[in-house]
Amino acid sequence: QVQLVESGGGVVQPGRSLRLSCAASGFTFSSYGMHWVRQAPGKGLEWVAVISYDGSKKYYADSVKGRFTISRDNSKDTLHLQMNSLRVEDTAVYYCAKKDTDGYNPGAFDIWGQGTMVTVSS
Amino acid sequence: EIVLTQSPGTLSLSPGERATLSCRASQSVSSSYLAWYQQKPGQAPRLLIYGASSRATGIPDRFSGSGSGTDFTLTISGLEPEDFAVYYCQSYGSPWTFGQGTKVEIK
Repeated sequence: QVQLVESGGGVVQPGRSLRLSCAASGFTFSSYGMHWVRQAPGKGLEWVAVISYDGSKKYYADSVKGRFTISRDNSKDTLHLQMNSLRVEDTAVYYCAKKDTDGYNPGAFDIWGQGTMVTVSS
Repeated sequence: EIVLTQSPGTLSLSPGERATLSCRASQSVSSSYLAWYQQKPGQAPRLLIYGASSRATGIPDRFSGSGSGTDFTLTISGLEPEDFAVYYCQSYGSPWTFGQGTKVEIK
């Protein structure tokens, strides 16, 4: 079945780095753009970053621009989020999500992973 | 950047009642790139509606979306016990923005 499984979360000190991964299965990963979305404890959803199906286009929320890098390995059906210079306010559950349309067309997020918790604390 | 404002913040209703959730955008949402998601505690969001009014796969027909431009509505025609949750609207035409959510709770 179509599935996304995140990994790599944990507790990290402010200023340190963490790399999240999202393993995809059950669909042609290389045909779909992918997103990261986060949710701070007790708060709403915040879009973080997107990468196009071929990795050629990447966009970031202002809150993470210059610190986070989204990437993908289509040979391994895996999405990544490299998070550097982490701040306390980056504490959240991080979800990866699949765009529901292929190519560059805009699309809603039809498949979500279960999320991985990132806690930034000294 | 599009700002999405959802109202009300909390909706207290009984099972069987009709729920009407509003999502207002600060500027026109292009080509109705507006989606609605449901999220239950401890779970990932689930796509309900895309393109403002199209139901996602497997979504019951008691869920319906409407609207265009800057005003959008999610209607649940008769609340089932499993529908009590938080609902988010989203603009996905770049940039990607979520509303702050509406909690539908049992009265």
